[in-house]
Amino acid sequence: AQRVTQPEKLLSVFKGAPVELKCNYSYSGSPELFWYVQYSRQRLQLLLRHISRESIKGFTADLNKGETSFHLKKPFAQEEDSAMYYCALKWSQGNLIFGKGTKLSVKP
Amino acid sequence: EAGVAQSPRYKIIEKRQSVAFWCNPISGHATLYWYQQILGQGPKLLIQFQNNGVVDDSQLPKDRFSAERLKGVDSTLKIQPAKLEDSAVYLCASSLDTGTSGSPNFGPGTRLTVT
Repeated sequence: AQRVTQPEKLLSVFKGAPVELKCNYSYSGSPELFWYVQYSRQRLQLLLRHISRESIKGFTADLNKGETSFHLKKPFAQEEDSAMYYCALKWSQGNLIFGKGTKLSVKP
Repeated sequence: EAGVAQSPRYKIIEKRQSVAFWCNPISGHATLYWYQQILGQGPKLLIQFQNNGVVDDSQLPKDRFSAERLKGVDSTLKIQPAKLEDSAVYLCASSLDTGTSGSPNFGPGTRLTVT
């Protein structure tokens, strides 16, 4: 069955430190993966998608089909990156399956 | 462009009461989704519409939940009667289509508390 796993509920780093938020998926088809972010008191919004191969706000994510992973990385964390991050898998009819989310806390 | 609109933003009801949520998607978006997000969990799809037709409602508890999309634009989600475990944030989202180009844009959500 299709599934998205985010193993860390909370990730706490200091400003300027590298960040990696882990995401693993289970899906028999060709996966399409996304990272969504929710800042405090804001709505859930798309951060990036693997097919775009873009860098948004300094974040990148590479799809690794061999390891079935789509980890989100940023070399130097900023305080404004503090938020909830959700990894999501697009499957049947375009709907998304979400992981449980990781709360990123960037300390000054 | 204006984002997805939802109302009300907050609702508190007692168990066994009824409640309805409203969603206005982004103009021109053919696909509309309702997700349920329980505290500590990621959003879970309840129902997906393509225009005014249901694409997927496999996870909708149909004994108490219902949804409709009027004329392929606005949508309402109803719970009747509510249970304690329905306490959650109900998110509406819309996208242009279900293809590769479509990724859902989310509304602010309605936080439901059932007491």
